[in-house]
Amino acid sequence: DVKVTQSSRYLVKRTGEKVFLECVQDMDHENMFWYRQDPGLGLRLIYFSYDVKMKEKGDIPEGYSVSREKKERFSLILESASTNQTSMYLCASSSSWRGPIGSTEAFFGQGTRLTVV
Amino acid sequence: GENVEQHPSTLSVQEGDSAVIKCTYSDSASNYFPWYKQELGKGPQLIIDIRSNVGEKKDQRIAVTLNKTAKHFSLHITETQPEDSAVYFCAASEGGGSYIPTFGRGTSLIVHP
Repeated sequence: DVKVTQSSRYLVKRTGEKVFLECVQDMDHENMFWYRQDPGLGLRLIYFSYDVKMKEKGDIPEGYSVSREKKERFSLILESASTNQTSMYLCASSSSWRGPIGSTEAFFGQGTRLTVV
Repeated sequence: GENVEQHPSTLSVQEGDSAVIKCTYSDSASNYFPWYKQELGKGPQLIIDIRSNVGEKKDQRIAVTLNKTAKHFSLHITETQPEDSAVYFCAASEGGGSYIPTFGRGTSLIVHP
């Protein structure tokens, strides 16, 4: 069974703290993504990565950074947490290999609900 | 970039009724259109997808239709059941090696027993 695992289901952090959200996938996928989910706004892309040590900004990168030192692990970093970063964070991965039918399904983790107080 | 609009934001039906969720996209280069279901407390999970060379695809009680000319695609659920209650997201992408899905804002489907 394919797996994307996020290290925490719930986190409570204080304003100004540095926060690390960890994501690990066991499918040898090249692509990894961090999304933020807020009511009425859907899934918004924060950062993505095509390969180890490679990263690209998504639609809402401000206040975030990422790290991908190993293929299976993609970390989201909040340098100085603020209350407007209270949200659900979703990690996803997908394969670059298209195969005979070009499948590019994204697999999601269970999410981390972060509260910044 | 791609822009995906999804309607309605909330859909309430009686068990056994059909439910339809509609999405439009803006980028004519998009050729892969997945639908995800997110149950409470879980991450989204793919339920069905369609590619631009196909007009319709069915899988038991769910079906997806695609109109490339009009740039819209729809999810159809027949004989709805309470366990179909969830948030549904449509997405669009070029489906290439650098697959980056752009998601709609989601539809909260409530199926009343």
